[in-house]
Amino acid sequence: DAGVIQSPRHEVTEMGQEVTLRCKPISGHNSLFWYRQTMMRGLELLIYFNNNVPIDDSGMPEDRFSAKMPNASFSTLKIQPSEPRDSAVYFCASSSMGGSPLHFGNGTRLTVT
Amino acid sequence: DAKTTQPTSMDCAEGRAANLPCNHSTISGNEYVYWYRQIHSQGPQYIIHGLKNNETNEMASLIITEDRKSSTLILPHATLRDTAVYYCIVRRNEKLTFGTGTRLTIIP
Repeated sequence: DAGVIQSPRHEVTEMGQEVTLRCKPISGHNSLFWYRQTMMRGLELLIYFNNNVPIDDSGMPEDRFSAKMPNASFSTLKIQPSEPRDSAVYFCASSSMGGSPLHFGNGTRLTVT
Repeated sequence: DAKTTQPTSMDCAEGRAANLPCNHSTISGNEYVYWYRQIHSQGPQYIIHGLKNNETNEMASLIITEDRKSSTLILPHATLRDTAVYYCIVRRNEKLTFGTGTRLTIIP
């Protein structure tokens, strides 16, 4: 099993640009989670999906952030327009439903200048 | 989710058992105790979880007190590769809420 795959591994962009982060969950997993990690705030849950449907997006910081899951094997997190304070490591995780452990990808390190 | 309290940092000698404590005095009956760790520049890695009984797998053992208000993660023979931040999480539903964890340093 390849695990959760995220791309790109690193992203550097200028303020105001659109950024799209991508995630491929583990095959057969029904739930997908997006987290953000910063030194100041630690690991924060942004949004999660069950069976491709967003269940809880209360962690999404503002309207500049959006997430989609068009099918069971792909999800995107988009920031438009990006700002320097969005600089962080963004993690995607997946799990089977029913409270099974989350498995995390290795993250995308985003730097907005 | 119930709040957890962990020491900020700990050291352990290589080859010795590392015992990481966690207090979760407000845990509810249907909430599980989960442990994850995060090695520098990597995503959090699942270690083990339990409800009431002690659990053991190839990575670690989890000891939960009878009143479930605290638990201990045991790495039986710590190696340098076990240096990481260890998170104790009380989980009720599908979400995992991470605290600040314990930074464990294995000393050669």
